[in-house]
This record gives sequence, C-alpha cells and structure tokens, in this order.
Amino acid sequence: GQQVMQIPQYQHVQEGEDFTTYCNSSTTLSNIQWYKQRPGGHPVFLIQLVKSGEVKKQKRLTFQFGEAKKNSSLHITATQTTDVGTYFCAGPSYSNQGGKLIFGQGTELSVKP
Amino acid sequence: DTGVSQDPRHKITKRGQNVTFRCDPISEHNRLYWYRQTLGQGPEFLTYFQNEAQLEKSRLLSDRFSAERPKGSFSTLEIQRTEQGDSAMYLCASSSLAGRLEAAFFGQGTRLTVV
Repeated sequence: GQQVMQIPQYQHVQEGEDFTTYCNSSTTLSNIQWYKQRPGGHPVFLIQLVKSGEVKKQKRLTFQFGEAKKNSSLHITATQTTDVGTYFCAGPSYSNQGGKLIFGQGTELSVKP
Repeated sequence: DTGVSQDPRHKITKRGQNVTFRCDPISEHNRLYWYRQTLGQGPEFLTYFQNEAQLEKSRLLSDRFSAERPKGSFSTLEIQRTEQGDSAMYLCASSSLAGRLEAAFFGQGTRLTVV
C-alpha cells in the first residue's frame, strides 16, 4: 500500500545548530503537507507544497518539494528551544476522494539549550 | 474559540466497555476525519465524512468501531467492547473543499486508556 517514510526518527541538536528531516513517498503526490506536534499536543498544520521543485520559507524553516513530487524536506536554521516537537509530513492518499492523508512516522526534534 | 474541539480529552475505561467520543469541527468545514495515533507514530486514518455522508472507512477498522455525523455537523466515534489494543489518542480533523488548500485542522484529541 501507499507509504510515506521519514528519516531520521529522532534528532537531538544543540540550540543554534541546524536540523533537517526528510520525507519520501512510495507514490507521486499531488501535494505534500507538513505538521508540527508539540509534546502532549496535537498536529498543527505548517505548510502545503504543490508544485514540482517548490521551495517555501517560513522564517527559519525552509520546505522543499522534490522534482518528482515523491520527496520533501524540512530544514530549520539555527534551532531554538521553541522548535522542540515532532515534525510530520503527509500526502494525500492516491485513492484520494476527499483529502485523506497518509502520514509519515515523524521526526522528533529535541533541542538542548 | 473556532477551532476543532473534542470531548472528552481523556477517557479511562475497563476492557469490554463501550465508549463514545465527540468532535465539533470548524463550522464552515464540510469534511471531517477521524485518525488514531499511538506513541511514536503518525496519525493513522480511520474514517472520513463529507457533510453527513461517510465516504471512506479504513480496512483496519474493526466492526466494533462506528462513526456518525448527523446533519453534517458534529461527529461521534463509538468503540464497542473495548480492548487494550484500542488504547491510543483519537484525533478528529476537519477541512474545507474550498480552494486548493487541503490542510487538516486537528482537535486536541481524546486519549483513551483501556485497563
């Protein structure tokens, strides 16, 4: 079945270091979405990428969508303690009849002050 | 607060009991989803409504699970004869058909513990 995979599963960084998480889909995606879940919280939508090769920035966060629309990455520059949480990528199901999302298992980011 | 709300936030139940959770989506959203999340995993799709119609149900969902969305507004998820393996966070999300943004807006979830 359709799968979305993320690496790494965990990442521990010193505050100020950069962080990158990678997302790969077994199928071509119409779009890729990124969510952040703080410890004890719920997933919160960050961004949606639609176009092949698209790059979007949100302050220190840079999101990329691969040319083949099967992979994506999230890069955080100069991490802060407020970046702590689990970052999920998600893509629409190929049988998409209504926005059902297939989530990766997430990358848990911890930041040491 | 105009976000997605879920009730209760926490539920502890004995194995074999029935439980029901409620979700109130963002009012203008016509799509409503239920997901389940266990520790260290991403949300896993359970079922989906467009207005009051249940359009898809995961094959992973046993017959003990049922969901409704009467009148296309709030939704309920019922689990009958709960098992310890049902312990998880149950997340509700809503989205809108309008525009190209397909983002899901999640509620804070109901954490179920079956003892």
